[in-house]
Amino acid sequence: QVQLVESGGGLVKPGGSLRLSCAASGFIFTDYYMAWIRQAPGKGLEWLAYINNSGSTIFYADSVKGRFAISRDNAKNSLYLRMDSLRADDTAVYYCARGELTLFYWGQGTLVTVSS
Amino acid sequence: EVVLAQSPDFQSVTPKEKVTITCRASHSIGKNLHWYQQKPGQSPRLLIKYASQSFSGVPSRFSGSGSGADFTLTINSLEAEDAATYYCHQSSSLPYTFGQGTKLEIK
Repeated sequence: QVQLVESGGGLVKPGGSLRLSCAASGFIFTDYYMAWIRQAPGKGLEWLAYINNSGSTIFYADSVKGRFAISRDNAKNSLYLRMDSLRADDTAVYYCARGELTLFYWGQGTLVTVSS
Repeated sequence: EVVLAQSPDFQSVTPKEKVTITCRASHSIGKNLHWYQQKPGQSPRLLIKYASQSFSGVPSRFSGSGSGADFTLTINSLEAEDAATYYCHQSSSLPYTFGQGTKLEIK
């Protein structure tokens, strides 16, 4: 069955950096676009970025453009989100999801807390 | 950016009731509208894709309709396990966006 497992979250100071990972299994990773979505505590969902099968096409939401970088390693069936210049309002649960237009499967999420 | 406005924000309903949640887009998005369910403490789960196509394994009491700018998620004969927040999501134009969510409470 499809499994997406995020890791790498934690407590980081404002201005700091973090790299999230998403390990995929149960499907042919190279067949699918992947995306990152986040959810601030008690708030709704915010779409952040997607990456195509090969990694050659990427798009970001304005809120993270220039600070976050999505990437993938198809040999390792893994998706990544590099987050720099973190701010308090980046505090959220970060989900990876399979798909481009429709988010068919989601991971369980990893919590990122930005605080001094 | 396409803004999605859901209504209501919150609804308290009784089991077996029929529930309707609406999602209105700021621009026409064709049928590029999807619905997700998020139960407390869980990640979102796809219910309906492209406005009206049920996803595999989703109970038949969930259905979707609409096109253009107005969409509806209907839950027939609500069950206690349907207590959750429901989100619409558009993939017509980048950046893709979500509605603010509709929280369903079961009385």
